Amino acid sequence: EIVLTQSPGTLSLSPGERATLSCRASQSVSRNYLAWYQQKPGQAPSLLIYDASIRATGIPDRFSGSGSGTDFTLTISRLEPEDFAVYYCQQYASPLTFGGGTKVEIK
Amino acid sequence: EVQLVESGGGLVKPGGSLRLSCAASGFTFSSYSMNWVRQAPGKGLEWVSSISSSSSYIYYADSVKGRFTISRDNAKNSLYLQMNSLRAEDTAVYYCARVHVQGDFDYWGQGTLVTVSS
Repeated sequence: EIVLTQSPGTLSLSPGERATLSCRASQSVSRNYLAWYQQKPGQAPSLLIYDASIRATGIPDRFSGSGSGTDFTLTISRLEPEDFAVYYCQQYASPLTFGGGTKVEIK
Repeated sequence: EVQLVESGGGLVKPGGSLRLSCAASGFTFSSYSMNWVRQAPGKGLEWVSSISSSSSYIYYADSVKGRFTISRDNAKNSLYLQMNSLRAEDTAVYYCARVHVQGDFDYWGQGTLVTVSS
């Protein structure tokens, strides 16, 4: 099973700032089968990025994904008020696993 | 509009059983693989089980293997999760989710809460 480790656990930033979230895999994620989700309190997760770098339908271009192998990054270029949430990475190359999440909170 | 609506959650005693349902609408249900994902209170996401469009391929997380059974009825546009021998650690919100490309999930239901407690 591939273990995904997300860092930092919490990111305290102000609106307009850049957010950089990391997801590290315990072994290489084949075909870059890695996704990112956003979850707000009381809501289901929503898909942001799939195949490591492809934005899902309707996702603003301030969200971008990058990386390959074992190291992946989600970048939010300029935080909007609605972006403060918890973000999860997920790999779907082997038995599906999720990272533990990164909370992006208002500083 | 794609909709996934879970039902069947509730309070159950340890060792008990529960059957969750997920009603799908707004898309051709029979063309998509489906999954169950759970989230314990205040915790992260945990994949539970997946089923291919024609039920040919079924997978389970080790934590539920032998206790949970996923199934679907394409004629009724419905996904199910039969949960037996429930434990306290199965307490969670259970989401059904549609597979988008390979194993990423583009649509999720609102979730149904399962509480296992005496």
